[in-house]
Amino acid sequence: AQSVTQLDSQVPVFEEAPVELRCNYSSSVSVYLFWYVQYPNQGLQLLLKYLSGSTLVKGINGFEAEFNKSQTSFHLRKPSVHISDTAEYFCAVSDGGTSYGKLTFGQGTILTVHP
Amino acid sequence: DAGVIQSPRHEVTEMGQEVTLRCKPISGHNSLFWYRQTMMRGLELLIYFNNNVPIDDSGMPEDRFSAKMPNASFSTLKIQPSEPRDSAVYFCASSLRLAGEGEQFFGPGTRLTVL
Repeated sequence: AQSVTQLDSQVPVFEEAPVELRCNYSSSVSVYLFWYVQYPNQGLQLLLKYLSGSTLVKGINGFEAEFNKSQTSFHLRKPSVHISDTAEYFCAVSDGGTSYGKLTFGQGTILTVHP
Repeated sequence: DAGVIQSPRHEVTEMGQEVTLRCKPISGHNSLFWYRQTMMRGLELLIYFNNNVPIDDSGMPEDRFSAKMPNASFSTLKIQPSEPRDSAVYFCASSLRLAGEGEQFFGPGTRLTVL
């Protein structure tokens, strides 16, 4: 069975500051990893994903994440945040097998960017 | 493509009434997922289909919940009878299964309030 732990439920930060949202996962098999963002009153949309290859993955809106297999982590980072980045962020894992694309989501991290 | 379409966007009903939520996945996608999101429990996977066949319904909370996918372009989630604790945002998502690496595309959700 897989699980995802997002270590911070809320992260407040000032505009133009860097931010890191932490995600750890557990799985007995190779995984695919995803970060989704949910803006208020909207559905989730994909920020970035790790399937294979380079462990540093770049996504939309200036976000990037680094896959660390030894630490089973997939932390999300942005060097300078904007007010518009205020949203809830979800880390998710897929086992890449016969799961038909099933994702296991973390509990979410609410990022609040203050002016 | 218009993306995943859900209807209605908002539903207010009284306890004991039947509720039907509808979803049209992205054309060509062959996996469909129903999620429920609440403050207390976060994002929960209820059931998912592959090629119109239910694969795993272990997330369906009770027998009051049922889901169907009569064809590749339509799915329903029904609650009968509804209860106040069913109040939540229900999301439908679709993906093109590629051994779990496929991105899930989410609809805008249906906000259900059961009085």
